[in-house]
Amino acid sequence: NAGVTQTPKFRVLKTGQSMTLLCAQDMNHEYMYWYRQDPGMGLRLIHYSVGEGTTAKGEVPDGYNVSRLKKQNFLLGLESAAPSQTSVYFCASSPGLARSSYNEQFFGPGTRLTVL
Amino acid sequence: DAKTTQPTSMDCAEGRAANLPCNHSTISGNEYVYWYRQIHSQGPQYIIHGLKNNETNEMASLIITEDRKSSTLILPHATLRDTAVYYCIANNFGNEKLTFGTGTRLTIIP
Repeated sequence: NAGVTQTPKFRVLKTGQSMTLLCAQDMNHEYMYWYRQDPGMGLRLIHYSVGEGTTAKGEVPDGYNVSRLKKQNFLLGLESAAPSQTSVYFCASSPGLARSSYNEQFFGPGTRLTVL
Repeated sequence: DAKTTQPTSMDCAEGRAANLPCNHSTISGNEYVYWYRQIHSQGPQYIIHGLKNNETNEMASLIITEDRKSSTLILPHATLRDTAVYYCIANNFGNEKLTFGTGTRLTIIP
């Protein structure tokens, strides 16, 4: 099993450009998450999904959109990138509370995004 | 979820036990205590969780005080690979979200 994978690993954008980050998991997990991590800070939740076709806002959703059309994939979109979105983005998945009594999240390796 | 407080940084000698404290004085009865760690530049990794009783797995032990207002994560024989940021999280059962603070930066010294 590959676990949680993220594409791309690195990306440099110019202000105003758009892009989509892809997260894929092969563990048949119900829940998926997108976080961002800025230097010296903990992870902050952007958006999450508790099942195929569902999405919900996290702590810092502004400037981002997400989609979960397939259970195994969770896409994070930046429609018009800004320098403030320069960060490391982590995706995670978890079995979901219907299948597990506790919230163990499995994380991907991260995407390092720079917006100039 | 209850707020947790951790020291910013700690050092531990290689081979010794690393004891990482966490304060969660406002924790409610339904909240679990979770520990994750993040090795440099990698995604966080789940370590252990507990509610009331002490817990042990292949990675670590979790000691929760009887009043549940604080806990300690113990790495019994620290190695250089245990150098990481350790996050203590209080999370209500049924809450699908986790809130990560800034954690404790643990440095294992040879």
